[in-house]
Amino acid sequence: NAGVTQTPKFQVLKTGQSMTLQCAQDMNHEYMSWYRQDPGMGLRLIHYSVGAGITDQGEVPNGYNVSRSTTEDFPLRLLSAAPSQTSVYFCASSHTGESYNEQFFGPGTRLTVL
Amino acid sequence: GENVEQHPSTLSVQEGDSAVIKCTYSDSASNYFPWYKQELGKRPQLIIDIRSNVGEKKDQRIAVTLNKTAKHFSLHITETQPEDSAVYFCAASMDSSYKLIFGSGTRLLVRP
Repeated sequence: NAGVTQTPKFQVLKTGQSMTLQCAQDMNHEYMSWYRQDPGMGLRLIHYSVGAGITDQGEVPNGYNVSRSTTEDFPLRLLSAAPSQTSVYFCASSHTGESYNEQFFGPGTRLTVL
Repeated sequence: GENVEQHPSTLSVQEGDSAVIKCTYSDSASNYFPWYKQELGKRPQLIIDIRSNVGEKKDQRIAVTLNKTAKHFSLHITETQPEDSAVYFCAASMDSSYKLIFGSGTRLLVRP
């Protein structure tokens, strides 16, 4: 199992550009989520999904869109990048229901917006 | 929504001493409380977790305690070692939503 994978590992954007951060898992997890990590602020939840076709907002959703067309993939889209979105982005996944337990994190994407 | 506060933000201990990190949560419906360790440049990894039907859980040198009435939980690391140096995050979630809300983290430094 590859677990949770994220691409790219690093990305530099100019203000106003758009891009999609990719996240995939091969553990058949129902729940997937995106976090951003900024110094001194921990991990803040952006969006999450409890299954294909279902998404919901987390703590800091503004400026980000998500979709969940398959169980395996959960891409995060930045429509018009801003310097405030410079951060490290982590994707995570877990089972739901009675199997709900550990959330597994991907390796992260370091994004810089100039 | 849920809010998790974590203290202290930094903690320095001598090797062999104990370290305690404390968290409080706001939503009484939360029932799952994991702790994650993040080494520099790496992804967060689960080190221990506890559910609300249990008051304490131990795994070798690590233990977590939960006080549901006061809505706080703590991580205890005994006999600390230099490799315990990392950032530790507490978190809280509930089975109805599964979303995990994190504290702001504690940077632990274990001095040899």
